[in-house]
Amino acid sequence: QKEVEQNSGPLSVPEGAIASLNCTYSDRGSQSFFWYRQYSGKSPELIMFIYSNGDKEDGRFTAQLNKASQYVSLLIRDSQPSDSATYLCAAQGYSSASKIIFGSGTRLSIRP
Amino acid sequence: EAQVTQNPRYLITVTGKKLTVTCSQNMNHEYMSWYRQDPGLGLRQIYYSMNVEVTDKGDVPEGYKVSRKEKRNFPLILESPSPNQTSLYFCASSLYSQTPRTEAFFGQGTRLTVV
Repeated sequence: QKEVEQNSGPLSVPEGAIASLNCTYSDRGSQSFFWYRQYSGKSPELIMFIYSNGDKEDGRFTAQLNKASQYVSLLIRDSQPSDSATYLCAAQGYSSASKIIFGSGTRLSIRP
Repeated sequence: EAQVTQNPRYLITVTGKKLTVTCSQNMNHEYMSWYRQDPGLGLRQIYYSMNVEVTDKGDVPEGYKVSRKEKRNFPLILESPSPNQTSLYFCASSLYSQTPRTEAFFGQGTRLTVV
């Protein structure tokens, strides 16, 4: 069974600090990795995607991918109360038969 | 505006009464799927479709049916709903043919309660 694992949290971070969210995946064939943010009762919305090893930055968000360690992370700088949500990590393989596998999510709470 | 539209958003029904949740996308995506989300269990895939008339089971297909007669629509059918199907349901679509794979776009969700 191909899996994506996340710590369920809650992860509590003070406002203005860096929030670090981690994710591991079991399928070495995974090629595309996504971070979604989901507010309670709402649909997931894409924040970042990453395909290559290394870092990818977009505003306050940085995604990091290490395929050798099968590890993906999301850093949120200058955390804001509006960043309080559940963050879903997802992985998808390259083959035509692959599908997106979601982790169960990490609940992030930014305290003022 | 590119979107995935689900209806209804909220539904309360009784055990055994057949229901259909509709899903429609306007992005010409080949791939569509249904997920259910329960506390602590994350998103679990119910069924997916790689194109018209091509559907397959996901991780939790029992008690559900789907059809894909048109590219834009992918309804979820519960022939005889039971209380354990009470959940938050999401439809999603994505562009299947592109590599690397692009992200999935989600509908607004349908909160279903079966009593």
